[in-house]
Amino acid sequence: TQLLEQSPQFLSIQEGENLTVYCNSSSVFSSLQWYRQEPGEGPVLLVTVVTGGEVKKLKRLTFQFGDARKDSSLHITAAQPGDTGLYLCAEPDSWGKLQFGAGTQVVVTP
Amino acid sequence: SQTIHQWPATLVQPVGSPLSLECTVEGTSNPNLYWYRQAAGRGLQLLFYSVGIGQISSEVPQNLSASRPQDRQFILSSKKLLLSDSGFYLCAWSGAAYMNTEAFFGQGTRLTVV
Repeated sequence: TQLLEQSPQFLSIQEGENLTVYCNSSSVFSSLQWYRQEPGEGPVLLVTVVTGGEVKKLKRLTFQFGDARKDSSLHITAAQPGDTGLYLCAEPDSWGKLQFGAGTQVVVTP
Repeated sequence: SQTIHQWPATLVQPVGSPLSLECTVEGTSNPNLYWYRQAAGRGLQLLFYSVGIGQISSEVPQNLSASRPQDRQFILSSKKLLLSDSGFYLCAWSGAAYMNTEAFFGQGTRLTVV
């Protein structure tokens, strides 16, 4: 089972600042998904990255997949309080089972 | 549209009591179904998954069991709860098994064993 390492564990920033969270592995990812989870709710898929070097944008969120497909990052520009949540990376297998990282808790204060 | 329902939202149970959590999916057929558990503020750990009625695969040895009596119904059970069974339990479904399919999660059940 591949180990997904996320960093940092916790990030607290002011509204308007930028932030980056990371997801790394010693093995190559087949593909990688990023989820956001709000307190008391289930995770919601943000994006799936598949190709090495891929960059995807979702409004103020930018997702990058490393060339070697061993790492990924999520960058948020001009963070807002609504971006607060637990950001999880996960690798799906062919059965749809997800191997999750431990997550990065992001808190954006007004 | 597809929806997933999970209940109850919160549950407080004494040690040694039984457990039954239910999850149902609407608007799709033959989904893959999953039970995950999450420790506070941390990642999710897969407990069980099912690709069809009566087909259950367990990912980790534990005090829990799962059943799928109908195509869109998934049940998580225990005969005798332990303190270590406390946690946030999430049911999820996905489409036919292929890489990169999206998982859709229920609202979760917060279980506290006292």
